[in-house]
Amino acid sequence: DGGITQSPKYLFRKEGQNVTLSCEQNLNHDAMYWYRQDPGQGLRLIYYSQIVNDFQKGDIAEGYSVSREKKESFPLTVTSAQKNPTAFYLCASSRAVMNTEAFFGQGTRLTVV
Amino acid sequence: GESVGLHLPTLSVQEGDNSIINCAYSNSASDYFIWYKQESGKGPQFIIDIRSNMDKRQGQRVTVLLNKTVKHLSLQIAATQPGDSAVYFCAESGGYQKVTFGTGTKLQVIP
Repeated sequence: DGGITQSPKYLFRKEGQNVTLSCEQNLNHDAMYWYRQDPGQGLRLIYYSQIVNDFQKGDIAEGYSVSREKKESFPLTVTSAQKNPTAFYLCASSRAVMNTEAFFGQGTRLTVV
Repeated sequence: GESVGLHLPTLSVQEGDNSIINCAYSNSASDYFIWYKQESGKGPQFIIDIRSNMDKRQGQRVTVLLNKTVKHLSLQIAATQPGDSAVYFCAESGGYQKVTFGTGTKLQVIP
């Protein structure tokens, strides 16, 4: 089955440590995205990528980094510079950035203690 | 900056009734408006979209209405079922620009 997979579902890290969240898709989509969701709030865009080896900052990129070395993979690193990293992180993909139908993963809930 | 928002944070509807979820937007340059459904602990799921040159679009049990005069978007769900209980987000997209999501409305279906 085609889809988008995030792992792990739950992640705990100590303050000051970098952590990388995995996102893989087998939908052959060019565009991929990372969103952050806080309780009772909407989704805020962290980074997006239109094509391999290219990515753009979203609204809240500070303290995060990404890479897009392969079409199917778009890992997100939450660095120690992110002041409030505890959140629900969602990865998504679409055929192209201008395509309105995005497919989301199940999310990773990151808790920093 | 431009934003997308919702009028009501929580909507309770009797099973079998119709639901109407509203959304106000501020970016009149957006090309598309989109509705997503998010069930608890899961990622959002695309429901339906509407292009800015349309005022109505129907899907299976859902209808999206767009009123550009007052910058208002609504999602109507016919014969609401318990499986419709979720948070609904409106979003907007402007061509190659990123999709901007609203804060969401929680729909509670009362059996």
